[in-house]
Amino acid sequence: EVQLLESGGGLVQPGGSLRLSCAASGFTFSSYAMSWVRQAPGKGLEWVSTVTISGSNTYYAASVKGRFTISRDNSKNTMYLEMNSLRADDTAVYYCANRPGTTVNNAFEVWGQGTIVTVSS
Amino acid sequence: DIQLTQSPSSLSASVGDRVTITCRASQGISSYLAWFQQKPGKAPKSLIYGASSLHSGVPSKFSGSGSGTDFTLTISSLQPEDSATYYCQQYNSYPLTFGGGTKVEIK
Repeated sequence: EVQLLESGGGLVQPGGSLRLSCAASGFTFSSYAMSWVRQAPGKGLEWVSTVTISGSNTYYAASVKGRFTISRDNSKNTMYLEMNSLRADDTAVYYCANRPGTTVNNAFEVWGQGTIVTVSS
Repeated sequence: DIQLTQSPSSLSASVGDRVTITCRASQGISSYLAWFQQKPGKAPKSLIYGASSLHSGVPSKFSGSGSGTDFTLTISSLQPEDSATYYCQQYNSYPLTFGGGTKVEIK
């Protein structure tokens, strides 16, 4: 069974840092690009970041560029999101999702269950 | 950035009704459009990719069409379990973007 399991969410003060993880199983992790998508309370879905299969290329939404860093470890079947300088508007459920292939022109397939990040003093 | 406009933002329909949701892109995206279903408190579920191809295991009552800038998601016969919010998303280019969502309720 294909599974994505996020972890690392929690309560953090404004300006603080947090590291999210997404553990993958049931598919060939090294054949899939991986992404983070977030959803603020009561709001819609917002793409955050994508890392390509090898990890050599990364893409970010303007709202997080320079503050968040996406990475992956194919030996551990795990993707990460390092979040720094957190702001109240980063409060959201963070989902990871996989996408086959090497180009942007492939759709998300499987989603994790999400991890909650709350930025508040 | 490519903007996606979904309409309507919400709808209420009866069991057995045919329901259609539209998604309009601010510029041409070929067929690089996906649809997702999200139930309250749950993760999104992938329904359709390539504008019209169903993901494995998705019931055939769901269908998608369109290319370029105008797309539709149709539920042929609405059932209680279809009550959810539906999102379109383009993967033509970065930044990836989502529509604002359509909340489907059962009368």
